[in-house]
Amino acid sequence: DQQVKQNSPSLSVQEGRISILNCDYTNSMFDYFLWYKKYPAEGPTFLISISSIKDKNEDGRFTVFLNKSAKHLSLHIVPSQPGDSAVYFCAASDGGSNYKLTFGKGTLLTVNP
Amino acid sequence: DVKVTQSSRYLVKRTGEKVFLECVQDMDHENMFWYRQDPGLGLRLIYFSYDVKMKEKGDIPEGYSVSREKKERFSLILESASTNQTSMYLCASSPPTGTEKLFFGSGTQLSVL
Repeated sequence: DQQVKQNSPSLSVQEGRISILNCDYTNSMFDYFLWYKKYPAEGPTFLISISSIKDKNEDGRFTVFLNKSAKHLSLHIVPSQPGDSAVYFCAASDGGSNYKLTFGKGTLLTVNP
Repeated sequence: DVKVTQSSRYLVKRTGEKVFLECVQDMDHENMFWYRQDPGLGLRLIYFSYDVKMKEKGDIPEGYSVSREKKERFSLILESASTNQTSMYLCASSPPTGTEKLFFGSGTQLSVL
């Protein structure tokens, strides 16, 4: 049973445009959400996070939105740059599970120059 | 900066061999994790440890064991490697209470022939 779902395996956008990556979850106990970025042959790196008490968190070009009623979050990248091309993983935690994260399958973002 | 170091970037082993994957972190983190990443399946948790000599099974522990004799080192052991264990293995660490932010190593690409 997949608790964190990223239904789009890939996304392609033009440089300068907005990239929107989506993530859905099923576990109501999740209270903390993170996005990781992964380049080939490298480990994932933390990008941005959001607590369930908020509905938006912004860090430079990256904004994460959380809709708790819909159990949905999204990552917005504006403007998109070619260097943003990577696999993006959505992850969630329920805090009580020794801080282990449940990851989605990832979305490959390609930003075309 | 936090550094999580995995001993090998690439490893080729034969079916039935005993395989050790080593991971060392230098930030005195209590929590350490082993994930595997497979195309189309995302990151799946194999085992984690929240203290020396403590371990807990993740979502896919079958065929694996772990060892944590020192705080900075977390080893993943494949007792008898099989071809379906060919994968990218990622080690991660995190501080104790209050954060779910993981710091990942660069990964070990294991091929079992």
